[in-house]
Amino acid sequence: DIQMTQSPSSLSASIGDRVTITCRSSQSIDTYLNWYRQKPGKAPEFLIYAASTLQSGVPSRFSGSGSGTDFTLTITSLQPEDFATYFCQQSYTTLWTFGQGTKVEVK
Amino acid sequence: QVQLQESGPGLVKPSETLSLTCTVSSGSVSSSNYYWSWIRQPPGQGLEWIGYIYYSGSTNSSPSLKSRVTISIDTSRNKFSLNLRSVTAADTAVYYCARGVAVAGVHFDSWGQGTLVTVSS
Repeated sequence: DIQMTQSPSSLSASIGDRVTITCRSSQSIDTYLNWYRQKPGKAPEFLIYAASTLQSGVPSRFSGSGSGTDFTLTITSLQPEDFATYFCQQSYTTLWTFGQGTKVEVK
Repeated sequence: QVQLQESGPGLVKPSETLSLTCTVSSGSVSSSNYYWSWIRQPPGQGLEWIGYIYYSGSTNSSPSLKSRVTISIDTSRNKFSLNLRSVTAADTAVYYCARGVAVAGVHFDSWGQGTLVTVSS
């Protein structure tokens, strides 16, 4: 299996802050990397696919970058609804795996 | 906008079989390029992909669960199902069904609301 490791596991931030979350894969996955946001008690919401392509309707404050083994999700100007847990997911192989999650909390 | 809804028992006894169904509306499980998937999340933990069934009926599942998992599809009723055999307390989780879309890899663009399944006697 390809292991996905996110860092940090949690972070504290304020409204309007710029937030960066990292996801690293145990082997190269090209750009087969997706990002999700999960609000408490809710199902995950799909944000970004192919490392950097925003899903239709996702606010432009979200952006993704990276290729190979290192990827980044950036949120510019954090909004109240962004206090949530974020997961990365690889689809380089058909044995899909998720990162362990990064929780963005209120500072 | 496709919608997915999980259904099934919320309590399963150890060693028994966990059975869940996902009903799909405003979309068809017979459509190509979609991987109808099951994903679970133990309380307070991360997401674990369980497996998928393709519209053609082909399946794949996580190696850690493969020996206990069966995923099936009912195109006439627009549903797909999960059976997880010989459950233990470690299988207690919120179970989600989701649609995997094959565009530049596979991503899960639509999810059910999730259903909590507790394994306990």
